[in-house]
Amino acid sequence: AAGVIQSPRHLIKEKRETATLKCYPIPRHDTVYWYQQGPGQDPQFLISFYEKMQSDKGSIPDRFSAQQFSDYHSELNMSSLELGDSALYFCASRRGLAGYNEQFFGPGTRLTVL
Amino acid sequence: AQTVTQSQPEMSVQEAETVTLSCTYDTSENNYYLFWYKQPPSRQMILVIRQEAYKQQNATENRFSVNFQKAAKSFSLKISDSQLGDTAMYFCAFKSVGGKSTFGDGTTLTVKP
Repeated sequence: AAGVIQSPRHLIKEKRETATLKCYPIPRHDTVYWYQQGPGQDPQFLISFYEKMQSDKGSIPDRFSAQQFSDYHSELNMSSLELGDSALYFCASRRGLAGYNEQFFGPGTRLTVL
Repeated sequence: AQTVTQSQPEMSVQEAETVTLSCTYDTSENNYYLFWYKQPPSRQMILVIRQEAYKQQNATENRFSVNFQKAAKSFSLKISDSQLGDTAMYFCAFKSVGGKSTFGDGTTLTVKP
């Protein structure tokens, strides 16, 4: 079965650079969530989208922005990168907002900021 | 806001024995979902088991079962016949209907041969 695809899997950037992470949800999933997991920490919710519109916002820094496109894939844009942005970034997708539908997680993008 | 607490940062168990990981949460909602995720060294988030709050029956998936106490807001995970491959970080997560997941801090489980 198809799973959530994230690209790239690994990314190395320097401070003050920009990065774009991509997430391709499972087919027919219209809701996407972004989570950030620092070393030794639990995943923290950043932002989510439903039907191409922002549905919820968590602890996403102002330097980050995200959007969901017409094909339901989502991109997380990160600017003015800081050392503390080094983390594993998970994308999860699900179908719809209401009801009992679990989130399916992608493999994550490991971002290292030097 | 919902909070999830895992009070055991680390646990270990001998292979083939049983271990229970604890999780408590706080919410004012009546209907919600609870999950246990496993994160092995590969760091992929793998769903282990899920529970709907409106169901009184505890969920069971093979060697994994939960003890869901809604009034006490407790959701513990029991792993029976522990296997070496169960070694991982385990996260308890709360999810409101249609909402994002809130994770606990995780419990590192080591299964010893």
